[in-house]
Amino acid sequence: EIVLTQSPATLSLSPGERATLSCRASQSINRYLAWYQQRPGRAPRLLIYDSSNRATGIPARFSGSGSGTGFTLTISSLEAEDFAVYYCQQRTDWPLTFGGGTKVEMK
Amino acid sequence: QVQLQESGPGLVKPSETLSLTCVVSGGFISGFYWSWIRQTPGKGLEWIGHIYYRGDTNYNPSLKSRVSMSVDTSKNQVSLKLKYVTAEDTAVYYCARGASGSLSWFDSWGQGTLVTVSS
Repeated sequence: EIVLTQSPATLSLSPGERATLSCRASQSINRYLAWYQQRPGRAPRLLIYDSSNRATGIPARFSGSGSGTGFTLTISSLEAEDFAVYYCQQRTDWPLTFGGGTKVEMK
Repeated sequence: QVQLQESGPGLVKPSETLSLTCVVSGGFISGFYWSWIRQTPGKGLEWIGHIYYRGDTNYNPSLKSRVSMSVDTSKNQVSLKLKYVTAEDTAVYYCARGASGSLSWFDSWGQGTLVTVSS
């Protein structure tokens, strides 16, 4: 199965700062990577699909990039509601797999 | 906007069968793949498998021998059964809609239901 490794595990930042999250795949997954945000006690919410496409209703401060084995989620200027856990997910091969998550916490 | 709602027993005894249902409202089951995904503090998010509205299934090999899924289009619901559960199956279970075919991302999720395996 394709293993997704997210880094860092935790990112401590202040509101207004830029967040850069990484997801690395154990083999090439082309551009077939999605990003999700999960707030405490809530289900994951789709942010980005196929590396760089924002899902419906997602603010422009969220952007994704990458292809092959390396991907990045960028939050250009953190707002209070952005402090959460972020997961990546690949859809290249079975079984569908998720990364271990990056927690963005307030500094 | 489509909404998903999981339901089922919150407590299951070891070696018994976990059974959950996901009701889809505000949209149709037809045309989509419906996945079950679980989340534990230790293993994170794990895709269990999916079922197409026509009944085709695909399961995670790690759980394949114990999992079955079914769909009832007349009730707009999908179901999950996991046999011979152990404490390792304790998790929050989500149903989610595949947005783009069988190999997909998930654009709608239920709120999740916590299932604890304990005697």
